Amino acid sequence: KQEVTQIPAALSVPEGENLVLNCSFTDSAIYNLQWFRQDPGKGLTSLLLIQSSQREQTSGRLNASLDKSSGRSTLYIAASQPGDSATYLCAVGPTLTSGGSYIPTFGRGTSLIVHP
Amino acid sequence: DTEVTQTPKHLVMGMTNKKSLKCEQHMGHRAMYWYKQKAKKPPELMFVYSYEKLSINESVPSRFSPECPNSSLLNLHLHALQPEDSALYLCASSQVVGVDEQFFGPGTRLTVL
Repeated sequence: KQEVTQIPAALSVPEGENLVLNCSFTDSAIYNLQWFRQDPGKGLTSLLLIQSSQREQTSGRLNASLDKSSGRSTLYIAASQPGDSATYLCAVGPTLTSGGSYIPTFGRGTSLIVHP
Repeated sequence: DTEVTQTPKHLVMGMTNKKSLKCEQHMGHRAMYWYKQKAKKPPELMFVYSYEKLSINESVPSRFSPECPNSSLLNLHLHALQPEDSALYLCASSQVVGVDEQFFGPGTRLTVL
């Protein structure tokens, strides 16, 4: 059974810092890994999707890397801003369920606060 | 257009009420999902439709009844809910089931009294 762990669970930093959020998974036989952002009480916003054949993806100040063999992904946020405050979730896909279906497995998220 | 829309934004219902949640996407995706999310927890998968057919039902109680009228629409019919069903209900879609980027809607905040 795939297990996804995100460390740290919470992070509070001053504006301008460069950040690294971690996502680890137990089964390296993944197809892709997706990073999401969620603001309180809102839906999930897709940030980056990394296919298993890729090592990293970049979008603006965000860079996500993937190391399948070690079961790890990192989300790097450069020059953090108060507007980056949110919960960041990673989802590893797909996982074969006991019912024979393929679904993504989510981590519990890292809650980020960037203070001015 | 990478938008998934959900209505209503908020819903308050009694335990004897019947209500429905609606989700819509116009990205041509053939997989649509319903998730339930409690506070400070990750989303939990409830149902998955693939090509308008229910492909995954993650042991959800029968008081939740999904419906996929066409490839763009997904409904979740609610009946005789319990207070513990209060949560954020999220709809998502992807090109195909399981292996593609998922796009989420803004969610419906459901409160059961």
